[in-house]
Amino acid sequence: DTTVKQNPRYKLARVGKPVNLICSQTMNHDTMYWYQKKPNQAPKLLLFYYDKILNREADTFEKFQSSRPNNSFCSLYIGSAGLEYSAMYLCASSAGSGNTLYFGEGSRLIVV
Amino acid sequence: GDSVTQTEGLVTLTEGLPVMLNCTYQSTYSPFLFWYVQHLNEAPKLLLKSFTDNKRPEHQGFHATLHKSSSSFHLQKSSAQLSDSALYYCALSDPDTGYQNFYFGKGTSLTVIP
Repeated sequence: DTTVKQNPRYKLARVGKPVNLICSQTMNHDTMYWYQKKPNQAPKLLLFYYDKILNREADTFEKFQSSRPNNSFCSLYIGSAGLEYSAMYLCASSAGSGNTLYFGEGSRLIVV
Repeated sequence: GDSVTQTEGLVTLTEGLPVMLNCTYQSTYSPFLFWYVQHLNEAPKLLLKSFTDNKRPEHQGFHATLHKSSSSFHLQKSSAQLSDSALYYCALSDPDTGYQNFYFGKGTSLTVIP
């Protein structure tokens, strides 16, 4: 099974409210990623976990938080949503460096 | 920093004609290059990955050649099929971070018409 599952698939949030997105994989992959995808833009790497070590991109360091309570699950947390957070959020996992990324179908967040 | 450029945002082709989607990259060292394909309402999935020994990867009729001299990894297919209609992403894996970071281009939306 090479499925990466994301929940919820769609989320409508009010400005200023928190948002929590969940990702799970059953492939025992050591690395899990979160990307943000906006129309006509490249998927932007927000952060990734290698095992229990969190790596966050410098320009999104304070905007997004994440946790990985076990190997299979990874969350993306926005403490106070702004309009600019409206996007598709893609979770992916991989086994080892430079290996194939397995993506989920994405969570579409709309902030109003 | 590392980056990937896909110059075409939208490509429309007639079935049976050859496909070529452009991808160029910028990287200080020697990255791995990838093509991912995303069909409508599906997750992106791997189409091709570059080899370290200059072999040409091929899958489902698609192939791509890594040219280090021109920093390119263009995707090609000799004859487009209707089922090839999808969004194609070029990506690189950054050796500077132990190949753990993946950087993507904006994507090229390919539409194949009868």
